[in-house]
Amino acid sequence: QSVLTQPPSASGTPGQRVTISCSGSSSNIGSNTVNWYQQLPGTAPKLLIYSNNQRPSGVPDRFSGSKSGTSASLAISGLQSEDEADYYCAAWDDSLNVVVFGGGTKLTVL
Amino acid sequence: EVQLVQSGAEVKKPGESLKISCKGSGYSFTSYWIGWVRQMPGKGLEWMGIIYPGDSDTRYSPSFQGQVTISADKSISTAYLQWSSLKASDTAMYYCARSGSGYDFGRWGQGTLVTVSS
Repeated sequence: QSVLTQPPSASGTPGQRVTISCSGSSSNIGSNTVNWYQQLPGTAPKLLIYSNNQRPSGVPDRFSGSKSGTSASLAISGLQSEDEADYYCAAWDDSLNVVVFGGGTKLTVL
Repeated sequence: EVQLVQSGAEVKKPGESLKISCKGSGYSFTSYWIGWVRQMPGKGLEWMGIIYPGDSDTRYSPSFQGQVTISADKSISTAYLQWSSLKASDTAMYYCARSGSGYDFGRWGQGTLVTVSS
């Protein structure tokens, strides 16, 4: 059972907009910034969004992040086949003194 | 270019010891925290711990404290993750990653697959 809760799966058709939620608590998302990672099949994770809504250089602006209270969301617009991957949210937890990850969401592009 | 290059896959027997490595290049190795993340087969990501090579300050997840040792040799820009006595449940992919100020891992190694089997 992960400390941050994500839906196990999500799907969409090319061109659609999909969102992935990440629910936490006051000790993690509620008091610290949220990061999102994309893991393509058979590869290392890649930082997609940091500090709730910032994109590292090279990440398309189709990807956006937001945070409200103890929840966060990742939105992907103009869905493409190459977006098919696992997505993880993460945040520091002040009570556990660790970075906690969500369980991951497998995105399927139909 | 910032790179983290990890050592190759390992196959070990239960009870054996192991030390895997992560060599950083293209940046000031002593100025960024390096963390280790475990991914068991078919599972999600787990934060194991983190080290600041500049002064070897190390923090562990309670889940991994006492089970592994994280270290670094700044003279050769390399971080390590080691086990003194492996178990079958240590079978996993292990990633090192460079951490930013918000505990965000902006650069990742390619991963080291550790297989523990009798």
